[in-house]
Amino acid sequence: DVKVTQSSRYLVKRTGEKVFLECVQDMDHENMFWYRQDPGLGLRLIYFSYDVKMKEKGDIPEGYSVSREKKERFSLILESASTNQTSMYLCASSPGTFADTQYFGPGTRLTVL
Amino acid sequence: GQQVMQIPQYQHVQEGEDFTTYCNSSTTLSNIQWYKQRPGGHPVFLIQLVKSGEVKKQKRLTFQFGEAKKNSSLHITATQTTDVGTYFCAGYGYGNKLVFGAGTILRVKS
Repeated sequence: DVKVTQSSRYLVKRTGEKVFLECVQDMDHENMFWYRQDPGLGLRLIYFSYDVKMKEKGDIPEGYSVSREKKERFSLILESASTNQTSMYLCASSPGTFADTQYFGPGTRLTVL
Repeated sequence: GQQVMQIPQYQHVQEGEDFTTYCNSSTTLSNIQWYKQRPGGHPVFLIQLVKSGEVKKQKRLTFQFGEAKKNSSLHITATQTTDVGTYFCAGYGYGNKLVFGAGTILRVKS
């Protein structure tokens, strides 16, 4: 079974802090994704990566950056957290093509005070 | 850009009643996927539809892809309490990404 893990289930940070969310997948998948999920808005794509050190902006990249130094690990960085970044963050991975099934991690509920 | 609209946003049904959620895209899709997210859980892949007019069944769940490949539906026959959760459609069209609908929250009264 594909396993996607995220570093924390719950996280509380203060405005202005730098926040790192880590995601690791164990199936040698090429593609990795970061979404945020908010009530009534569904899943919105922040960034994705199709290879090590490669990244592309999704629909809502402002205020976020990412890092993919190793194939299995994709990190989401909030350089200076703000209260409007309070959300559920979901990481996903998929094999070969972008049209493939995505496998999601358990999510990180981030609260920015 | 590509948009995927999903309705209804929320539905509360009596156990045993049927349930349908609909998905509409502003552009033609090459495929559409459906995911289920249980309360407190993460989205889990259910199925992918690729062909125009395709219909697939999984037990009590029936998935359809429209002839024009711009809409899709998920129908659940005789809902059970285990069906509760949020159902998302996600379409793959222009660009290298899936676009998710906002989801339909299903609650089932027993």
